[in-house]
Amino acid sequence: DSGVTQTPKHLITATGQRVTLRCSPRSGDLSVYWYQQSLDQGLQFLIQYYNGEERAKGNILERFSAQQFPDLHSELNLSSLELGDSALYFCASSVNPGQGSSPLHFGNGTRLTVT
Amino acid sequence: EDQVTQSPEALRLQEGESSSLNCSYTVSGLRGLFWYRQDPGKGPEFLFTLYSAGEEKEKERLKATLTKKESFLHITAPKPEDSATYLCAVLGGAQKLVFGQGTRLTINP
Repeated sequence: DSGVTQTPKHLITATGQRVTLRCSPRSGDLSVYWYQQSLDQGLQFLIQYYNGEERAKGNILERFSAQQFPDLHSELNLSSLELGDSALYFCASSVNPGQGSSPLHFGNGTRLTVT
Repeated sequence: EDQVTQSPEALRLQEGESSSLNCSYTVSGLRGLFWYRQDPGKGPEFLFTLYSAGEEKEKERLKATLTKKESFLHITAPKPEDSATYLCAVLGGAQKLVFGQGTRLTINP
């Protein structure tokens, strides 16, 4: 058990809808990362927050947004969903702000299916 | 742009049959190379970090090595519980982890 909690585990929704994925980081970790994993793209970095502030941005679409709250949990909001957004969404956390300066601890992901 | 290529895509071994997984990378200013293990339905689990060419790290039946262009994950006398997808990732000057597609390893008893 990595200590990172993601909810829900599964989500099925229709095109055009909006969903929110939630992540609670490991106790003591201030950094939260969001990744998307699909069969053809592998694990793609979306965005990172450190202690409530956006730290780094990857290949995140404009339809997607995220935030980290004062209690350090994070939410990833996906809107105007398309079939191609179907994927596994992982949250990871680490102690330090710099990617790679401390190991990432991943949750077990949210599987999003857009129909 | 930083890139990571892992080979083979899939590897099937008999229990006790040693082998190696390859991770080739191109990166501007390597800050670290990472190996993760991912089981079906789970998130990746951290295994190793390597920082410079010539460095080696070991954990049970796994040993990771690093050169200037690639990293190898050597698996010695594997057991069925070593079956998983092994992911390699690099951190370059852009300060963003870039993952490879992974190698799906199956160990038959």
